[in-house]
Amino acid sequence: EAGVVQSPRYKIIEKKQPVAFWCNPISGHNTLYWYLQNLGQGPELLIRYENEEAVDDSQLPKDRFSAERLKGVDSTLKIQPAELGDSAVYLCASSPGTGTGTSSTDTQYFGPGTRLTVL
Amino acid sequence: LAKTTQPISMDSYEGQEVNITCSHNNIATNDYITWYQQFPSQGPRFIIQGYKTKVTNEVASLFIPADRKSSTLSLPRVSLSDTAVYYCLTLAGTGRRALTFGSGTRLQVQP
Repeated sequence: EAGVVQSPRYKIIEKKQPVAFWCNPISGHNTLYWYLQNLGQGPELLIRYENEEAVDDSQLPKDRFSAERLKGVDSTLKIQPAELGDSAVYLCASSPGTGTGTSSTDTQYFGPGTRLTVL
Repeated sequence: LAKTTQPISMDSYEGQEVNITCSHNNIATNDYITWYQQFPSQGPRFIIQGYKTKVTNEVASLFIPADRKSSTLSLPRVSLSDTAVYYCLTLAGTGRRALTFGSGTRLQVQP
């Protein structure tokens, strides 16, 4: 079974430029998550989708960040414009259940992440 | 807002048993506790999940006391390849609840 796929793996851009990250979850997984991970810290949730609906985007900085999950499968996370402080690893995860938290069906499977460097 | 607390780092030697404790005082009745492992340049990987008492799989054991305000991940006979960051995950927040990882414990296994 293929895991969560993310691209690109690395991205270097100059500040004020736009950037987009792509995620393909494990087939059949209803729930998709985008996390941000700063160096030396744990992942922080940005947005959670159940199928194509964003059910928790309370921590997504909506002035510059946007996300979409077309047809409830692939997802794209965009930053426009990027700032120096956005340099981090952006992780995508998926899980088979549609629970609101850590129920037994909500085991999350993570992709390798996209390392963003903003110069 | 629920919060988990873990030791920042731990050191061990190959062949030893390692126990990492996570505190989660505000865990809700229906919440599970999940532990993840993360190597550099990789996403976190699921290790084990439990609700109460004890859970064991081929990788680790998870001990949860009756009050469920803490949990302990036990790694038997660690090897160098167990060097990683270990995260404790519970449901956090109120209302529109967010998923929050703990601060993570950096385990360094030495020969």
